Amino acid sequence: DIQMTQSPSFLSASVGDRVTINCKASQNINRYLNWYQQKLGEAPKLLIYNANSLQTGIPSRFSGSGSGTDFTLTISSLQPEDVATYFCLQHNSWPRTFGGGTKLELK
Amino acid sequence: EVQLVESGGGLVQPGRSLKLSCAASGFTFSNYYMAWVRQAPKKGLEWVATISTSGSRTYYPDSVKGRFTISRDNAKSSLYLQMNSLKSEDTATYYCARERDPPFAYWGQGTLVTVSS
Repeated sequence: DIQMTQSPSFLSASVGDRVTINCKASQNINRYLNWYQQKLGEAPKLLIYNANSLQTGIPSRFSGSGSGTDFTLTISSLQPEDVATYFCLQHNSWPRTFGGGTKLELK
Repeated sequence: EVQLVESGGGLVQPGRSLKLSCAASGFTFSNYYMAWVRQAPKKGLEWVATISTSGSRTYYPDSVKGRFTISRDNAKSSLYLQMNSLKSEDTATYYCARERDPPFAYWGQGTLVTVSS
């Protein structure tokens, strides 16, 4: 199975900060990596698919990069509504596996 | 608009069975692979099963293989998850998701399954 190691687990940042979250795959997953935002009591919301494609309707302050084993989600200027938990998902191979999550809070 | 609505969750005793349903609308259901993903309380996400468009191919992680069965009825635009021999560690919110185009873009609101005596 491909292990997805997400870091950091917890992040505190201020409004306007540039925020980066990382996912590292235990094997090459090409670009088959998604990023999700999940707010309390809600289903995950897709932000980025296939490493760097912005999902329709998602603000352009969110971006993704990487390929192979190392991936990054960047929020260029943190907004209060971005407080949430963020997950990565690899869909390159079976079983699909998620990262452990990054809880993002406002400082 | 793509909509996925899960149902069938509830409280069930260990060792018993439960069947979840997911009603899909807003897209041609028969053209898409579909999946179930779960999330234990205050925990991360775990992929549970995927089924091909015709239902001829299914995929499971080892944690549920042999106990869970994913199926679909394309005529009814519905996805199912039959869960047998339930364990306490199966307690979670179960989400139905469209697997493709874009991958895992659309999710339902989830249905809570609690396995407890």
